[in-house]
Amino acid sequence: KQEVTQIPAALSVPEGENLVLNCSFTDSAIYNLQWFRQDPGKGLTSLLLIQSSQREQTSGRLNASLDKSSGRSTLYIAASQPGDSATYLCAVADYKLSFGAGTTVTVRA
Amino acid sequence: GAVVSQHPSWVICKSGTSVKIECRSLDFQATTMFWYRQFPKQSLMLMATSNEGSKATYEQGVEKDKFLINHASLTLSTLTVTSAHPEDSSFYICSAEDRGSHEQYFGPGTRLTVT
Repeated sequence: KQEVTQIPAALSVPEGENLVLNCSFTDSAIYNLQWFRQDPGKGLTSLLLIQSSQREQTSGRLNASLDKSSGRSTLYIAASQPGDSATYLCAVADYKLSFGAGTTVTVRA
Repeated sequence: GAVVSQHPSWVICKSGTSVKIECRSLDFQATTMFWYRQFPKQSLMLMATSNEGSKATYEQGVEKDKFLINHASLTLSTLTVTSAHPEDSSFYICSAEDRGSHEQYFGPGTRLTVT
């Protein structure tokens, strides 16, 4: 059974600081890994998808890396802004999508 | 980009009644859709996988007679919560899978409150 862990559970940083969010998973036989953003009471916004054959993906200030062999992914958010405050979820896809519990980020102005 | 809609976005119902939630893929066809539920401050938990034209596959611990899933077309899946109870109050999110990339596109969610 795939288990996905996200550390830390919560993070508070001043505006402008870089964010590092970690995700680990137990079974490396995955199709892809996705990072999502979820605002309170809202659905999911897909941020980045990394196929199993890829090592990283970048979109604007976001960069996600994937080390499938060690079962780890890291999401980097550069120069954080108050609007980045949200819960970030990672999910790995094998025969189904398994989610971590998320990291709740607060960026202080 | 691929868009998935859900209706209604929120619903309040009385205990014992049934509620139907619709999930639609607006600009692509989805042979597979997924239904998740999310309790406050917890992650999404997969309830069932819905395949067009066949019976849904339920995750362990999910009552198939309580959570009825129908996937009658390539763009529509429905989840019916039957004889709802307060403990069924939750945030229900559906997703639809792109067959090529296996990427899932998520709906905006439905907040169900059972009084």
